[in-house]
Amino acid sequence: QAGLTQPPSVSKGLRQTATLTCTGNSNNVGYQGAPWLQQHQGHPPKLLSYRNNNRPSGISERFSASRSGNTASLTITGLQPEDEADYYCSAWDSSLRAWVFGGGTKLTVL
Amino acid sequence: EVQLVESGGGLVQAGGSLRLSCAASGFTLSNYWMSWVRQAPGKGLEWVATITQDGSEEFYVDSVKGRFTISRDNAQNSLYLQMNSLRAEDMALYYCVRDPLDSWGQGTLVTVSS
Repeated sequence: QAGLTQPPSVSKGLRQTATLTCTGNSNNVGYQGAPWLQQHQGHPPKLLSYRNNNRPSGISERFSASRSGNTASLTITGLQPEDEADYYCSAWDSSLRAWVFGGGTKLTVL
Repeated sequence: EVQLVESGGGLVQAGGSLRLSCAASGFTLSNYWMSWVRQAPGKGLEWVATITQDGSEEFYVDSVKGRFTISRDNAQNSLYLQMNSLRAEDMALYYCVRDPLDSWGQGTLVTVSS
């Protein structure tokens, strides 16, 4: 099953803004949007945003998700050291009847 | 509080079988689709299988079709993954996940020796 496309790595400075992207197609990202997940080393993933771009309870307002066509984005403002992690986008593919994931973006906070 | 606790992982020889279990608590299991997602050491996330609320439909990644079976027992608040004909490439940490990916367990490790 084809996956979603994410840049392998992004580096930004402390307190700066990072925007992570995720490209799919009209059957997945363009169909119902893309949940975003954060994973710190040695821990399970944690949902940062639902497919409708809403944040789960307890997720900082510094994380905001959006979508334009078949591309989803996650913007993280005021970068903090604890934001350094792997970030995955995902989407339910209506054609494949499958969840598809991006390869993940490793965010480094300088 | 939503909790998902996986068990059943371990070391198995190639060609062998394992049955993973996931104990769910803090929510009504029958209201949710459920999935298994795996992560090989140092690699990204890979979806494995999904089952609908009542178990009437199952979906699998191509690489496990015919070998793995996802099932559930809503009365027992449990999700399962029966894995047969295991291969080296199945070695990974297997997560039990509530759809739409909003809750994850800690994972159970499956090691396949050749």
